[in-house]
Amino acid sequence: GAGVSQSPRYKVAKRGQDVALRCDPISGHVSLFWYQQALGQGPEFLTYFQNEAQLDKSGLPSDRFFAERPEGSVSTLKIQRTQQEDSAVYLCASSRWGDMNTEAFFGQGTRLTVV
Amino acid sequence: AQKITQTQPGMFVQEKEAVTLDCTYDTSDQSYGLFWYKQPSSGEMIFLIYQGSYDEQNATEGRYSLNFQKARKSANLVISASQLGDSAMYFCAMRERDSSYKLIFGSGTRLLVRP
Repeated sequence: GAGVSQSPRYKVAKRGQDVALRCDPISGHVSLFWYQQALGQGPEFLTYFQNEAQLDKSGLPSDRFFAERPEGSVSTLKIQRTQQEDSAVYLCASSRWGDMNTEAFFGQGTRLTVV
Repeated sequence: AQKITQTQPGMFVQEKEAVTLDCTYDTSDQSYGLFWYKQPSSGEMIFLIYQGSYDEQNATEGRYSLNFQKARKSANLVISASQLGDSAMYFCAMRERDSSYKLIFGSGTRLLVRP
């Protein structure tokens, strides 16, 4: 596809349920980022992949959050035992390279609501 | 300390007029990049403009220009000839060299363009 694709667009989960959010980056993009955006806030960094290697996971809020990108393209963000505070929009972004001035292209996000 | 500060939660501008959205940043790095993104109500983050810390000229992209004042650590976005479609959230973001190239976002400014 032409842009970054995320699925599902909306997800409602019962508290305690596990969820998996998918990101299809732009083909050939080396870098992939996950961000969490709470209502009315700016996105906050969760984790970064360069190809299949997860180089930075310092933003993951707890060990319930896990991300993978096994073949260096599609990535999945998994949240185990969801809590209400996990409710947010989860944004995925990809960049052609990992360098200073390369713009990041964002998907439309997955809005997660934990009830 | 906040890395990116956007002090205007909301702004109004009359259609066809210019508007300046403020952004100040905090970094001890000599090499960094500054970005502005637009987020319409549909949710995707749209890249607008980039300024590198070593760029001597202010960046311009169509109706968007970045007023970069390095000594003051400010990177204000100027939108000229506002259009109704410019109504959206605007985020300033910074990328530092030693930060896995993640973007650090401000809290955003909501711009409403009045007809």
